[in-house]
Amino acid sequence: AQSVTQLGSHVSVSEGALVLLRCNYSSSVPPYLFWYVQYPNQGLQLLLKYTTGATLVKGINGFEAEFKKSETSFHLTKPSAHMSDAAEYFCAVSEGVRGGGADGLTFGKGTHLIIQP
Amino acid sequence: GAGVSQSPSNKVTEKGKDVELRCDPISGHTALYWYRQSLGQGLEFLIYFQGNSAPDKSGLPSDRFSAERTGGSVSTLTIQRTQQEDSAVYLCASSFSGTGGSDTQYFGPGTRLTVL
Repeated sequence: AQSVTQLGSHVSVSEGALVLLRCNYSSSVPPYLFWYVQYPNQGLQLLLKYTTGATLVKGINGFEAEFKKSETSFHLTKPSAHMSDAAEYFCAVSEGVRGGGADGLTFGKGTHLIIQP
Repeated sequence: GAGVSQSPSNKVTEKGKDVELRCDPISGHTALYWYRQSLGQGLEFLIYFQGNSAPDKSGLPSDRFSAERTGGSVSTLTIQRTQQEDSAVYLCASSFSGTGGSDTQYFGPGTRLTVL
């Protein structure tokens, strides 16, 4: 069965500082990995995803993530935080039918990113 | 183009009543998903539809929950005899094909259900 662990329910950084949100996963097959962002009272928006190929994935709003199989990690980074980045961030994994299940995503508990002025 | 839409945006009901939540997926998307987001459980997968095929109900929390998808498009999630623990935001998502698990799922704004 697949699972996701996000370290830190809350992360606070100063505006202009590096953002690092941690995600570790467990999967019985090579995983598909996703990062979604949720702004207050809004739905989830895809930031980026890893399926196959290049392990460094670039997404929207300057975010990127690196798939590290040996560490079972998919950490999200952004070089310089902006006030508009304040939101809830969710890491998710999908095995799909390859893993014997449906295509529903398994999400981590989320990390609330706080940007200090 | 239009995204995933859900209605109502908010629903307040009394314990024991039935509720219906509606989802309109992105036009042309064959796969449709329902999730539940609550403070205690986070984001949980509930059910998945692929076109007109019978849904995968593996994530439904109890037999009070059911869902249907008419004509491979609009979906309705029904909760019978609502309980207070059903209070949550119910999110719908759709994707172009759904097969394989790598498709991007596009989420609607959700329906906030409050059971009094």
